Amino acid sequence: AQSVTQLDSQVPVFEEAPVELRCNYSSSVSVYLFWYVQYPNQGLQLLLKYLSGSTLVKGINGFEAEFNKSQTSFHLRKPSVHISDTAEYFCAARGDSNYQLIWGAGTKLIIKP
Amino acid sequence: DGGITQSPKYLFRKEGQNVTLSCEQNLNHDAMYWYRQDPGQGLRLIYYSQIVNDFQKGDIAEGYSVSREKKESFPLTVTSAQKNPTAFYLCASRSDRVNQPQHFGDGTRLSIL
Repeated sequence: AQSVTQLDSQVPVFEEAPVELRCNYSSSVSVYLFWYVQYPNQGLQLLLKYLSGSTLVKGINGFEAEFNKSQTSFHLRKPSVHISDTAEYFCAARGDSNYQLIWGAGTKLIIKP
Repeated sequence: DGGITQSPKYLFRKEGQNVTLSCEQNLNHDAMYWYRQDPGQGLRLIYYSQIVNDFQKGDIAEGYSVSREKKESFPLTVTSAQKNPTAFYLCASRSDRVNQPQHFGDGTRLSIL
């Protein structure tokens, strides 16, 4: 079955510390991968995407993600978080159809002052 | 500025009522989507449409209906058959080009009185 798994429902981290949000995908999904961010009571905003090429993808707001085919992972990282990064982060992968995405359950990033 | 507009932002429904959520986009996107978001469950696809006058059921279409009479508009009706309609509803659209990301509106929060 096609699936995207976000291993942590919540990640607390101190301000200015590094963070990694984990995402694993089933080998049956297409390796077109996305990270989105959702601030409270808002829609989702694209952070970054991997379609092909370099396995290290840089996105907005200082985030980056690394595609690892052997581990079927696409973890999101930021070297130093800010209070404004408090949000929920979603990993997604393209399914069988060009039109549909398979979504992870989301990870809430909690920044501690 | 191009974007997706969802209205209203907050909506209240009485038991037994149908309500319609509006979604309009001026991005000239061919595909449009409706998702339901519940805490801890990520995004679940209700309906999507690839072109005008055509739409497909997603994973949780029961109790919902849609129409796509214009490229710009994709309204969602939550019918009285939907027994648990309280949720955050997100509309998205995307270009027809391969592997393009979905763009989201700011959502409508529906509550039962």
